[in-house]
Amino acid sequence: GENVEQHPSTLSVQEGDSAVIKCTYSDSASNYFPWYKQELGKRPQLIIDIRSNVGEKKDQRIAVTLNKTAKHFSLHITETQPEDSAVYFCAASRSSGYSTLTFGKGTMLLVSP
Amino acid sequence: GAVVSQHPSWVICKSGTSVKIECRSLDFQATTMFWYRQFPKQSLMLMATSNEGSKATYEQGVEKDKFLINHASLTLSTLTVTSAHPEDSSFYICSAPGGQGFIEQYFGPGTRLTVT
Repeated sequence: GENVEQHPSTLSVQEGDSAVIKCTYSDSASNYFPWYKQELGKRPQLIIDIRSNVGEKKDQRIAVTLNKTAKHFSLHITETQPEDSAVYFCAASRSSGYSTLTFGKGTMLLVSP
Repeated sequence: GAVVSQHPSWVICKSGTSVKIECRSLDFQATTMFWYRQFPKQSLMLMATSNEGSKATYEQGVEKDKFLINHASLTLSTLTVTSAHPEDSSFYICSAPGGQGFIEQYFGPGTRLTVT
């Protein structure tokens, strides 16, 4: 089955700095890679996703890059703000109808004012 | 659109009792739903895939006789934790696939279970 590794487990940055979280996956058939933000006691919230037919996707301060050859993808947050503080999870799945998501172990991001 | 609800949002029960958690798709039909368990400071772990009108598919290591899943309609899946023990205390989250190609998953708000 799929295995998703995520690093770092914790990340502390100053407000305004950039943050980068990296994930690797093992199943070459995976082609859907979402990123979730989860605040304490709440549901995971999809913040951005990428499919394998593109190498990069950007949405305002958030971007995701994908390298299918190396089987890794990364989340980039620019101009971080204190409200970006949360746990971020990467995940991978095959986009073949009702495929299950495999999550990374999460990264706790702390943005200090 | 694509809203998933869960009930209850939190529950406290005594060891040895059973607890039922409901997961509903409010504005769309879901023939498949997923149940996850999340322990504190850990990731979401898939427990089982709930299939409308058929048996659920359980992940390795998840006891199907302890975690009973029923998907009786196109909008409702239930998870019953039977003979609960303190180690079953966790955050249980359901999700339903949707979007283009049913790739995205819409998550419920979760249910915090505490077994005393």
